[in-house]
Amino acid sequence: EPEVTQTPSHQVTQMGQEVILRCVPISNHLYFYWYRQILGQKVEFLVSFYNNEISEKSEIFDDQFSVERPDGSNFTLKIRSTKLEDSAMYFCASSGSTRSYEQYFGPGTRLTVT
Amino acid sequence: AQSVTQLDSHVSVSEGTPVLLRCNYSSSYSPSLFWYVQHPNKGLQLLLKYTSAATLVKGINGFEAEFKKSETSFHLTKPSAHMSDAAEYFCVVRTNQGGKLIFGQGTELSVKP
Repeated sequence: EPEVTQTPSHQVTQMGQEVILRCVPISNHLYFYWYRQILGQKVEFLVSFYNNEISEKSEIFDDQFSVERPDGSNFTLKIRSTKLEDSAMYFCASSGSTRSYEQYFGPGTRLTVT
Repeated sequence: AQSVTQLDSHVSVSEGTPVLLRCNYSSSYSPSLFWYVQHPNKGLQLLLKYTSAATLVKGINGFEAEFKKSETSFHLTKPSAHMSDAAEYFCVVRTNQGGKLIFGQGTELSVKP
């Protein structure tokens, strides 16, 4: 069964460093999303991406964040200068279309900023 | 604005007894609602979805949920809990514009032997 994959599973970085979180969505999906879950808090939407551009972004998704689909398979989230409060589990999700409403999630990347 | 509220942060049941996880929603439109499950150190798995078809929705692993418009509820049930059901459960609403998901706070389900 197709699934969303994410790498790495765990990333430790120092404050101020750049990190790139990688996702491989399900191959025939067209809509891509990033969410995050700070420990003990609810899952929050960050950004959605369709047709090589951002469809929607949350207030969290400021200039420090960017997303890219560099090739036909990968979908990346970059944080330019990490802060302590960026420590969270980051989930990638993909969806076949807006008509098929299910979003399929990857296993997540745990980002720890020290 | 759309939102979901999960009424219990933690539910504990004995193996073999029924499970009820409660969720109320708020939406100006006919909502698309989901339940996702997150096992420890795992990702989010879709349990079931409601998208304005049948009000009683069956999902995986014996779970089902009933959409009740009059009560603005979408409670998740299972007739008989299994130890493997122990996990965090999230009630989720999909926005009508853009399709982002809005998550509830989560309910941790514990299953006692």
